Amino acid sequence: DSGVTQTPKHLITATGQRVTLRCSPRSGDLSVYWYQQSLDQGLQFLIQYYNGEERAKGNILERFSAQQFPDLHSELNLSSLELGDSALYFCASSVGTGGVSYEQYFGPGTRLTVT
Amino acid sequence: GIQVEQSPPDLILQEGANSTLRCNFSDSVNNLQWFHQNPWGQLINLFYIPSGTKQNGRLSATTVATERYSLLYISSSQTTDSGVYFCAVRRGTYKYIFGTGTRLKVLA
Repeated sequence: DSGVTQTPKHLITATGQRVTLRCSPRSGDLSVYWYQQSLDQGLQFLIQYYNGEERAKGNILERFSAQQFPDLHSELNLSSLELGDSALYFCASSVGTGGVSYEQYFGPGTRLTVT
Repeated sequence: GIQVEQSPPDLILQEGANSTLRCNFSDSVNNLQWFHQNPWGQLINLFYIPSGTKQNGRLSATTVATERYSLLYISSSQTTDSGVYFCAVRRGTYKYIFGTGTRLKVLA
């Protein structure tokens, strides 16, 4: 158990809908990262937050947004869902920001299926 | 951006065999991690190894940063070692770049 929690574990929804994925980092970690793993794209970095502020953006679609709350948990919002958004979404956390290298720990993931 | 290549892409072993997985990266990095993704999809940290050598039980890893590669050694493989092994690197940015992985199947 990495100490990073994600809910829900599984999510099935229809095209055009909106969902929210939740992540709680390890105790003491200030950075949260979101990744998408799909069959054709592999593991792709989406976005990073550090202590409530956005720090880096990767291949995140405009239909997707995220935030980190004062208690450090994070939510990833996916809207106007398309079939191609079906994937495993991971959250990871680390102690500090990316300016100094820190080991990332991954949560168990949320498997999103869009029908 | 940095390119990360892993080899071999697929590997089938008999239980008890040893193996070496390789990760090549195209630029200098200051962070490198090895992960095992088990058949249930969970990503498990194996090593945080930007340079040097580390060992943990039957697994060990070596990163030669100056030559831009890292090796993961699995000795006396077990069926529970099956899954996908990823190497991920980071250089001065906030995101990891993941390789495409090595898919390992260990047969009983």
